Amino acid sequence: GDSVTQMEGPVTLSEEAFLTINCTYTATGYPSLFWYVQYPGEGLQLLLKATKADDKGSNKGFEATYRKETTSFHLEKGSVQVSDSAVYFCALSDPTSYDKVIFGPGTSLSVIP
Amino acid sequence: DTAVSQTPKYLVTQMGNDKSIKCEQNLGHDTMYWYKQDSKKFLKIMFSYNNKELIINETVPNRFSPKSPDKAHLNLHINSLELGDSAVYFCASSLAAGAYNEQFFGPGTRLTVL
Repeated sequence: GDSVTQMEGPVTLSEEAFLTINCTYTATGYPSLFWYVQYPGEGLQLLLKATKADDKGSNKGFEATYRKETTSFHLEKGSVQVSDSAVYFCALSDPTSYDKVIFGPGTSLSVIP
Repeated sequence: DTAVSQTPKYLVTQMGNDKSIKCEQNLGHDTMYWYKQDSKKFLKIMFSYNNKELIINETVPNRFSPKSPDKAHLNLHINSLELGDSAVYFCASSLAAGAYNEQFFGPGTRLTVL
């Protein structure tokens, strides 16, 4: 079945450091890919998405590129801020699986001043 | 002007009780969902409704029963609560069922079963 794998956390970075959170997926069809972010005590909110191969999603300085050949959707940001501290979830939605959204296990990020 | 709201925010109850969590969305969306997030933050879909009809029903004990009285509401009733039901339950909605549609999440209901 479909699945999403993310790098294990927690990740701790200093402010202005470069961030990469790895995400790989397996899917039977051609999924859409998402990154959601969950700030402490809140629900998830969409950070960015990509719907086909080679698409790049971007928002708030975060970027991720849909790489079909490596089945990956790694999240990057050039310079993190303390306010980026949150849990980040990679997810896919596969139209051949009733459009269920499958979430990865989440990666906790702490940014210290 | 909350988009997706849930009540209650916290729920503490004894094993064996029956409880309900309510969810409402004011976005005009057709599709609503219930997710369970465990203590390790792992998020798993439980149910999905599209226009009041059940479209996703994952392997969930039948003690869990969703009800959608209209498009804007999706409630979750849980019978005979067990310790393992302790988790954060999130309601979400999307414009329609479909791979491209962003899901909007509520703030969550933290259920603690003692």
